[in-house]
Amino acid sequence: GAVVSQHPSWVICKSGTSVKIECRSLDFQATTMFWYRQFPKQSLMLMATSNEGSKATYEQGVEKDKFLINHASLTLSTLTVTSAHPEDSSFYICSATMSDTQYFGPGTRLTVL
Amino acid sequence: AQSVTQPDIHITVSEGASLELRCNYSYGATPYLFWYVQSPGQGLQLLLKYFSGDTLVQGIKGFEAEFKRSQSSFNLRKPSVHWSDAAEYFCAVVIRRMGTYKYIFGTGTRLKVLA
Repeated sequence: GAVVSQHPSWVICKSGTSVKIECRSLDFQATTMFWYRQFPKQSLMLMATSNEGSKATYEQGVEKDKFLINHASLTLSTLTVTSAHPEDSSFYICSATMSDTQYFGPGTRLTVL
Repeated sequence: AQSVTQPDIHITVSEGASLELRCNYSYGATPYLFWYVQSPGQGLQLLLKYFSGDTLVQGIKGFEAEFKRSQSSFNLRKPSVHWSDAAEYFCAVVIRRMGTYKYIFGTGTRLKVLA
């Protein structure tokens, strides 16, 4: 139980385009999901907290207009990187909370050319 | 301010040797404590967690961790390391306040296992 999936697992896009990443809790409902960014050989950096049916809460320094988060249902949250640039290339990981425990997705590798 | 410290950035052990990864936290009350493992290019997998009760917690893959309130520590141990344990290990704490959660991760410890 407590499986979280992400799609796609990797994506390459051109600079200026937008990319959508999906995070799904497969066997449980999650009112809260989190989006992280991880740079090579570094820890996770929390980007935002996604709450079902309400606006996401962004961490300081994260541009909410650039990283659009939608949590339309109890099993799906999406992160859209708008007008992506090479500096947005990173590993993005989502997590979903159940019983006070975070369960993580496998991550999405984004490369912006 | 709340924080999580993993003092060892890298640890190298021989296969079959014992392992201890250190984790210290800074928080006034008892937090929820977690250990996660991350293989290259993968998400994080939950190894074990401590909420309350018995301070020695058993997890998956033969790992255990002990919560020591007096030392504000939650060290991860394994009596005999396997080559497949080579990965990045993250300690995390959850601070619960007014119905909200704040997760704080340590910087991670990269484990290398020698054959």
